[in-house]
Amino acid sequence: ILNVEQSPQSLHVQEGDSTNFTCSFPSSNFYALHWYRWETAKSPEALFVMTLNGDEKKKGRISATLNTKEGYSYLYIKGSQPEDSATYLCALLNFGNEKLTFGTGTRLTIIP
Amino acid sequence: ETGVTQTPRHLVMGMTNKKSLKCEQHLGHNAMYWYKQSAKKPLELMFVYNFKEQTENNSVPSRFSPECPNSSHLFLHLHTLQPEDSALYLCASSQDAGRNTIYFGEGSWLTVV
Repeated sequence: ILNVEQSPQSLHVQEGDSTNFTCSFPSSNFYALHWYRWETAKSPEALFVMTLNGDEKKKGRISATLNTKEGYSYLYIKGSQPEDSATYLCALLNFGNEKLTFGTGTRLTIIP
Repeated sequence: ETGVTQTPRHLVMGMTNKKSLKCEQHLGHNAMYWYKQSAKKPLELMFVYNFKEQTENNSVPSRFSPECPNSSHLFLHLHTLQPEDSALYLCASSQDAGRNTIYFGEGSWLTVV
């Protein structure tokens, strides 16, 4: 059983502040890491798919980095806005496996 | 709008009922999935279909029975469920099973009474 861990479990951030959170995973047999944003009453939305060690991806104010050797990925949000409030999920895909293993998510609340 | 549509959005059923969840994707994808989201637990993969063939059954009890008549449609047939099966059931699709981005539907909230 793969253990994908996300921390913190929940986070309150003042509007305008920047924040980051972590996804940790076993580094052996790594193939890809996915990040999703899940707003309440909506469907999870893909943010990034990352495959290479040292990858850094950016989408607007959100960016992510990947370290496959030590088994972690960081998600950064710059200048948080109320619409950033959501649960952020990471998911690991290993070689030879079609199954994405999800973490339990980081629930982010932006305080206006 | 992700291109993955699920119906019904909410379902309440008794333990002796038979019901089905339906999923349709308009993205031209070849892989479709059922996931289960229970309270305080990670999203849990139930089934994977790739080119209409089931390629993954993640030790799901037989009271859940998937059906994939074509690559655009996926059903989850429910029979003699237990109250602990109450959860959010998410359908998803991707170009192929594997490293591609997965597109989720909004989910079907199931309550078993």
